[in-house]
Amino acid sequence: ETGVTQTPRHLVMGMTNKKSLKCEQHLGHNAMYWYKQSAKKPLELMFVYNFKEQTENNSVPSRFSPECPNSSHLFLHLHTLQPEDSALYLCASSQAGTGNYGYTFGSGTRLTVV
Amino acid sequence: EDQVTQSPEALRLQEGESSSLNCSYTVSGLRGLFWYRQDPGKGPEFLFTLYSAGEEKEKERLKATLTKKESFLHITAPKPEDSATYLCAVQATGSGYALNFGKGTSLLVTP
Repeated sequence: ETGVTQTPRHLVMGMTNKKSLKCEQHLGHNAMYWYKQSAKKPLELMFVYNFKEQTENNSVPSRFSPECPNSSHLFLHLHTLQPEDSALYLCASSQAGTGNYGYTFGSGTRLTVV
Repeated sequence: EDQVTQSPEALRLQEGESSSLNCSYTVSGLRGLFWYRQDPGKGPEFLFTLYSAGEEKEKERLKATLTKKESFLHITAPKPEDSATYLCAVQATGSGYALNFGKGTSLLVTP
């Protein structure tokens, strides 16, 4: 496996369900991110983890709960979501602090809340 | 507040018809400006990073340029496989490592 891997690729869940999105990076990066991509909107930053510590929470509702157990893995736990939470959820990683600030993105999880 | 505005929203070109995409930005201090390509159903793919006004970078038919207020992505003699959404993002000094994205330009190149 190379790059950034996200699972599952597609997820349909009811508003009362609990599910988790998983992200794994194989690049040796030290920072990981969750972004939300909705139609006709720019990518919205949700959470930033730097060396496993959460450094940003961009006013995200508590029904989204991130977890970063180590620098290679990132989870997004979902519960009691709303239909407007349906979107493409993208994970990314970068090597912060080296002068190369570009992100590598995963392919995303397409989430549909019914 | 940092702002990124991309234009046009959508662009249709004939194969071989060169054009440019625009990214205007407002940021307190620019650490870097990024261009990504995104195909349907996939995550964004990194193209370029530009750090200072006057800088230019090229890759195949793409060339990115940067001024103090905007960046252009020039596409020379495009091919149908260049069809995608092109995203611009800025990273501000003092903002950690977060990228602030524009809405993107959807490019369609027809044969």
